[in-house]
Amino acid sequence: DAMVIQNPRYQVTQFGKPVTLSCSQTLNHNVMYWYQQKSSQAPKLLFHYYDKDFNNEADTPDNFQSRRPNTSFCFLDIRSPGLGDAAMYLCATSKDSAGPRGGYTFGSGTRLTVV
Amino acid sequence: QKEVEQNSGPLSVPEGAIASLNCTYSDRGSQSFFWYRQYSGKSPELIMSIYSNGDKEDGRFTAQLNKASQYVSLLIRDSQPSDSATYLCAVPSQGAQKLVFGQGTRLTINP
Repeated sequence: DAMVIQNPRYQVTQFGKPVTLSCSQTLNHNVMYWYQQKSSQAPKLLFHYYDKDFNNEADTPDNFQSRRPNTSFCFLDIRSPGLGDAAMYLCATSKDSAGPRGGYTFGSGTRLTVV
Repeated sequence: QKEVEQNSGPLSVPEGAIASLNCTYSDRGSQSFFWYRQYSGKSPELIMSIYSNGDKEDGRFTAQLNKASQYVSLLIRDSQPSDSATYLCAVPSQGAQKLVFGQGTRLTINP
């Protein structure tokens, strides 16, 4: 089945140690998004790729970076995780023709713990 | 004013009753609206989308849209304990390829 897959499901990292979260999709969607969701809060968009075009949100800290080497894969890099970066990280995709009008397909998320 | 606002709850509803969830949005130009269900520790799941004023029904779920008043609601009929979750309202940000989410309403269905 076509889907969005995030790995790992749970990630524990040490304070200040770089960590990479991955997302892959078999939907051939043009747009891929990374959201951060802390407990009892709304998902907050960090950045998104429209094809190869990177779109950063104005309030996304420099500590967060992303790569999209091809249509299927997108990575979230946290260069120096702090305790405040502990959250669920959600990857989502959408078709370019529908965009948000068609809604997103979400991956299962990665729960990041910083120790 | 936040772009998308929801009452965070918690909202408790007895099993079998109707649960009513509300959402208001600030952008009058918004054309599409989404409701996602999110179980604890899981990712959001799209359950309803609505584009036109009025009601849209899908099984036990009904989405209602009133663009003049800038609100969208979700009704869940015959509520089941399995409906206990956080419900997120989402609206596309105008001119951008992204969804803005409300903070969600936590719903508990009591057996």
